Amino acid sequence: DGGITQSPKYLFRKEGQNVTLSCEQNLNHDAMYWYRQDPGQGLRLIYYSQIVNDFQKGDIAEGYSVSREKKESFPLTVTSAQKNPTAFYLCASSNNGVQGNTEAFFGQGTRLTVV
Amino acid sequence: AQSVAQPEDQVNVAEGNPLTVKCTYSVSGNPYLFWYVQYPNRGLQFLLKYITGDNLVKGSYGFEAEFNKSQTSFHLKKPSALVSDSALYFCAVDPNNQGGKLIFGQGTELSVKP
Repeated sequence: DGGITQSPKYLFRKEGQNVTLSCEQNLNHDAMYWYRQDPGQGLRLIYYSQIVNDFQKGDIAEGYSVSREKKESFPLTVTSAQKNPTAFYLCASSNNGVQGNTEAFFGQGTRLTVV
Repeated sequence: AQSVAQPEDQVNVAEGNPLTVKCTYSVSGNPYLFWYVQYPNRGLQFLLKYITGDNLVKGSYGFEAEFNKSQTSFHLKKPSALVSDSALYFCAVDPNNQGGKLIFGQGTELSVKP
């Protein structure tokens, strides 16, 4: 069953704590992305990776870090430097510029709450 | 700055009536255009895309979208709405035509009443 798996579905973080959100895909996609969703603001790009061992900052990368050691995996760490981390986090993957086959596929999301 | 606008936060439609969810964009060149749907506490599901060709594209669940280059618009339509279509709809633009690095609109909540 192909797709993108995000875990956990719900995550609670204490102030000053780092947490890591998991994202795994078995679609054989080269590119992976992390988005943050806040009510009324749409989705904003945090980080993206177009190939293994390489990644770039998106529009709101401050307070976040990522790694891309395997093609299938793109974990996101929300660090204590992120001042307002409560949000819904979505991971996505896509083929890289393959004509006609460019839509992104999304995971089911992780809802992070600071307690 | 590049942007995508969905001018309506909410659209209310009676079941069986046609629906339109509006999207305009401010992106140079010929970007790829997408519509996604999101149900509560779920990820985004792909509905349809425009890359090139016919201005009317058909997608999943009976949805279609009309591309208008001169107005830089990509409105989502459905001839007959269902209660089950009630969800949050996002328009997105890929400025570089390279995949999932998207600019999203803020979303439109569609409510279809029986």
